[in-house]
Amino acid sequence: KAGVTQTPRYLIKTRGQQVTLSCSPISGHRSVSWYQQTPGQGLQFLFEYFSETQRNKGNFPGRFSGRQFSNSRSEMNVSTLELGDSALYLCASSLPSLSGGATDTQYFGPGTRLTVL
Amino acid sequence: AQSVTQLGSHVSVSEGALVLLRCNYSSSVPPYLFWYVQYPNQGLQLLLKYTTGATLVKGINGFEAEFKKSETSFHLTKPSAHMSDAAEYFCAVSASGGSYIPTFGRGTSLIVHP
Repeated sequence: KAGVTQTPRYLIKTRGQQVTLSCSPISGHRSVSWYQQTPGQGLQFLFEYFSETQRNKGNFPGRFSGRQFSNSRSEMNVSTLELGDSALYLCASSLPSLSGGATDTQYFGPGTRLTVL
Repeated sequence: AQSVTQLGSHVSVSEGALVLLRCNYSSSVPPYLFWYVQYPNQGLQLLLKYTTGATLVKGINGFEAEFKKSETSFHLTKPSAHMSDAAEYFCAVSASGGSYIPTFGRGTSLIVHP
């Protein structure tokens, strides 16, 4: 079974631009979460989508947004890029559970490394 | 509110020696606890998790961790280190009872010497 795929793997943008990152979950997984990883702040939760609805949200500004499609693929968008948005963006998928996700095993993709110049 | 503290940003061991990576957590509700490993240029892989039940949790690659509520700890151990264990390890906590918003520790880099 194919793992979580993220495209593109590397991206270079300039300040003020916007960017869209894509994530394809493992077949059958309906929950997709996004994380930002930086040397300074570590790993931080951005948001989680389940059945095309945002179910949980971390503490990030509104410039960070996402969506999920009916096939469970997800995209995240960052508008008006800042230098501090340079990071590895990780996507993770999991099977749905009655508990709402807290105990689900998440499977991570390799990430998209975004560099903002 | 919840938080995770991983003691030691770097841990160095010899091949064959015991691996001990420390994790202490803070949570206002019973926690779910996780250990992940990240190899260079890769995403995170779940090593093991504690939700309920047995406090000694066995994971992949010979790792295990013990949930100690009185010490608010969830340390990761492996009896004998292999060169292939060299990686970044992350401890994470989330609150039981529903929504999954994990908090990660800053990570510990495990260095294995031949």
